[in-house]
Amino acid sequence: DQQVKQNSPSLSVQEGRISILNCDYTNSMFDYFLWYKKYPAEGPTFLISISSIKDKNEDGRFTVFLNKSAKHLSLHIVPSQPGDSAVYFCAARDDKIIFGKGTRLHILP
Amino acid sequence: NAGVMQNPRHLVRRRGQEARLRCSPMKGHSHVYWYRQLPEEGLKFMVYLQKENIIDESGMPKERFSAEFPKEGPSILRIQQVVRGDSAAYFCASSPLRQKNTEAFFGQGTRLTVV
Repeated sequence: DQQVKQNSPSLSVQEGRISILNCDYTNSMFDYFLWYKKYPAEGPTFLISISSIKDKNEDGRFTVFLNKSAKHLSLHIVPSQPGDSAVYFCAARDDKIIFGKGTRLHILP
Repeated sequence: NAGVMQNPRHLVRRRGQEARLRCSPMKGHSHVYWYRQLPEEGLKFMVYLQKENIIDESGMPKERFSAEFPKEGPSILRIQQVVRGDSAAYFCASSPLRQKNTEAFFGQGTRLTVV
């Protein structure tokens, strides 16, 4: 049973525009969330995280929003750049890290 | 400061052989996690270890798979009598603490191919 869900397998966004990746979770006990980025044939790279005591965390072009009542978080990338094309994994931290299935982001020229 | 090191990067085994995957965590990290990624799938948790202890092995298949993290040396994920379905990318991650509000850092993975 999936505790972290990324319902969009892929997303295409024009270069320079905003990319919005969505994620839902089912366990209200989760209190720390992470986003990882993964290129083919490489390991996941940590991108940004958010604690449940916040509703927003920003780091450069990346912002993560958390809506606890809806059990929903989103990653905003603005402006999108060609190097952002990758698979993005949403994750929740328990003792372990529980990942969604990922969203493949394509940045179009 | 070296990152998480996994070796080998690529491993080919014939059906029935054993596969041993090694993971050296980042310096100062005593917590190791193993994940498996099947083609076109997400990252599935397998096992969480601290030095000399298995904390959570709820994602490990019941047979043929085992993991250890000895006091000295790397963590080892061992797969006995490999089958074609074991072909996947295996990733190791490490973190310094058991705290929930910390990220874990991943290695580059070992790509296992069973022929």
